Amino acid sequence: KNEVEQSPQNLTAQEGEFITINCSYSVGISALHWLQQHPGGGIVSLFMLSSGKKKHGRLIATINIQEKHSSLHITASHPRDSAVYICAACRGSQGNLIFGKGTKLSVKP
Amino acid sequence: DADVTQTPRNRITKTGKRIMLECSQTKGHDRMYWYRQDPGLGLRLIYYSFDVKDINKGEISDGYSVSRQAQAKFSLSLESAIPNQTALYFCATSDFPRSVGYTFGSGTRLTVV
Repeated sequence: KNEVEQSPQNLTAQEGEFITINCSYSVGISALHWLQQHPGGGIVSLFMLSSGKKKHGRLIATINIQEKHSSLHITASHPRDSAVYICAACRGSQGNLIFGKGTKLSVKP
Repeated sequence: DADVTQTPRNRITKTGKRIMLECSQTKGHDRMYWYRQDPGLGLRLIYYSFDVKDINKGEISDGYSVSRQAQAKFSLSLESAIPNQTALYFCATSDFPRSVGYTFGSGTRLTVV
């Protein structure tokens, strides 16, 4: 079993829909990262959180430390949100990242 | 200029050739990492360095070597490239434990034929 599991693997949505991507982890962490990878390949850090909730524009990330679970929400989705979203757990003692396999999101106009 | 710069962006090389991928950063971070990304497998750690004199193997270091020439530079070498090393390679930096933020380079797409 992978230490960081994401679901779903693939997600297709219509423009305007509310989207949720889930991440569960089994290791002790100091933080949980949400990353975005566009088709060109570059990786951008969206959020880094260790508790509670963070919001940036239409993106919201939450984490429940007790349940070892995090979610990334996109409100009013847009075709430009189409990308791969990657959850990564920052291992508590070392600070190294353990990555989920990513969720490929496609938002149709 | 980007905070983390990888060169080259794309490279095609032949089996058996030695190739070096370079990474430089202006973040001033001590920690640097090399990852490879394969479809369906996600990102996997090849090597990491906590400072110039501290280099560590990651989960898939076989067939690779690294050099930390300075705080700002971390190079990855494939001594004798093979086709299953075809992948997208990322360099990253972090400021752990001062913060938990990571910064990624734009990636190098390597094809071994």
